[in-house]
Amino acid sequence: DQQVKQNSPSLSVQEGRISILNCDYTNSMFDYFLWYKKYPAEGPTFLISISSIKDKNEDGRFTVFLNKSAKHLSLHIVPSQPGDSAVYFCAASGMNRDDKIIFGKGTRLHILP
Amino acid sequence: GAVVSQHPSWVICKSGTSVKIECRSLDFQATTMFWYRQFPKQSLMLMATSNEGSKATYEQGVEKDKFLINHASLTLSTLTVTSAHPEDSSFYICSAADQAGISYEQYFGPGTRLTVT
Repeated sequence: DQQVKQNSPSLSVQEGRISILNCDYTNSMFDYFLWYKKYPAEGPTFLISISSIKDKNEDGRFTVFLNKSAKHLSLHIVPSQPGDSAVYFCAASGMNRDDKIIFGKGTRLHILP
Repeated sequence: GAVVSQHPSWVICKSGTSVKIECRSLDFQATTMFWYRQFPKQSLMLMATSNEGSKATYEQGVEKDKFLINHASLTLSTLTVTSAHPEDSSFYICSAADQAGISYEQYFGPGTRLTVT
């Protein structure tokens, strides 16, 4: 059973517009949520995170929103840039540093010129 | 930021042979490292949790005898794919958390591409 779900395998967005990537989770024990960006043949790179006590976290062009009651989070990228084209993974974990991270299947974002 | 390296970055081996992949935390210590495998449709699957000085914890469905994990020191974990088969061909990624860090982040290695012929 998939605990972290990214239902859109791909998404295309015009350059300069807002990209919204969605993620749902099923385990109410998750305390910490993360987004990673991955280019082909490279390891994932950390983008932004949010703890369960917050509903929004912003870092430059990236904002993550958390709706605990709906068990839903989203990543907003605005404005979208060509270099944002990559696969984005939503992930969830407990609060301890050694807790394992459960990843979604990823969403491939294409930024169109 | 913290750096995690993997060696080799890519390897081609013949079916039936064994391959060892190293994961090192270069500027921090990690009592726990994680090994992931990336499947063709881009999903990342956690294979096992590597614990320094003790046995690894494997996820359900991952063969312990096939994927041997050794966490020899606070900066090194190894994954050995034994008796490799073509279906083991994949992209293997490790990650580690900085034990001394104040924020929760896991740092990922660049990955190792394994091709079994």
